Amino acid sequence: EAGVTQFPSHSVIEKGQTVTLRCDPISGHDNLYWYRRVMGKEIKFLLHFVKESKQDESGMPNNRFLAERTGGTYSTLKVQPAELEDSGVYFCASSQYQGGPSFFGPGTRLTVL
Amino acid sequence: ELKVEQNPLFLSMQEGKNYTIYCNYSTTSDRLYWYRQDPGKSLESLFVLLSNGAVKQEGRLMASLDTKARLSTLHITAAVHDLSATYFCAVEIYGGATNKLIFGTGTLLAVQP
Repeated sequence: EAGVTQFPSHSVIEKGQTVTLRCDPISGHDNLYWYRRVMGKEIKFLLHFVKESKQDESGMPNNRFLAERTGGTYSTLKVQPAELEDSGVYFCASSQYQGGPSFFGPGTRLTVL
Repeated sequence: ELKVEQNPLFLSMQEGKNYTIYCNYSTTSDRLYWYRQDPGKSLESLFVLLSNGAVKQEGRLMASLDTKARLSTLHITAAVHDLSATYFCAVEIYGGATNKLIFGTGTLLAVQP
C-alpha cells in the first residue's frame, strides 16, 4: 500500500511568488493534516481536514496560506505571495479515523529567497 | 500556550553507550507519540503511549510515560550507528471534532562508531 506522498520534494522560489504544495493521503483516509517545521523549531500544526471539510485551521499563519481538499482526496496548500519566513519543511499526514495513528509524508522543503 | 519541551536538542554518543531523551509537556493528554525521522524521509511512528506508567520497548529503544509528572522518556540502550536520526515526541490534543499533534523540538542523535 502506498504511503502519504507529497509533491514537490523541494521548491525554491523568490519572495512574492506563489507556490502550491500537494499531498496525496493514504487511500481511504478521511483525515488529512498539514504541519510545518521552520528551521530549528518544532513541527507545528497548520490545519486538519475531514474529507473535504476544514475541521481546524487554527494553525494557519495568515491569509497568505490557502488549503483545499476538493473531493476529499488529495490536498493542496498554496502560499501567495511567499515571504522569507515561510521557508521550512511542510509535512502532510493522514489517518483513517480520529484517534487513529497518523502517517506522515516525507515533506516538502520550501525555500523562499 | 501548550508546550512540549524536549531535551537535549542534540546528542552525540558513542556506540555501545546508553542515554535518555526527555519530553515534558504542559497539558493533560491521552496520548504521547515518539517519532523517528531520517534525513529527507517521513516521520516514522515508533511508539504510542496511552496511559500512566506505560512502557514500550522495541529493540534498543524503550519509551515510558508518567502522566502525573507529564514526562515521557526515550531510553537508548547500547546505541548503534543505525539509530542516528532525529527523534520527536508529540502530544495529541483533542478539541471538539478535531485533533492535532503538538511536537517537541526534536533531538538530533548522532551515534559515533
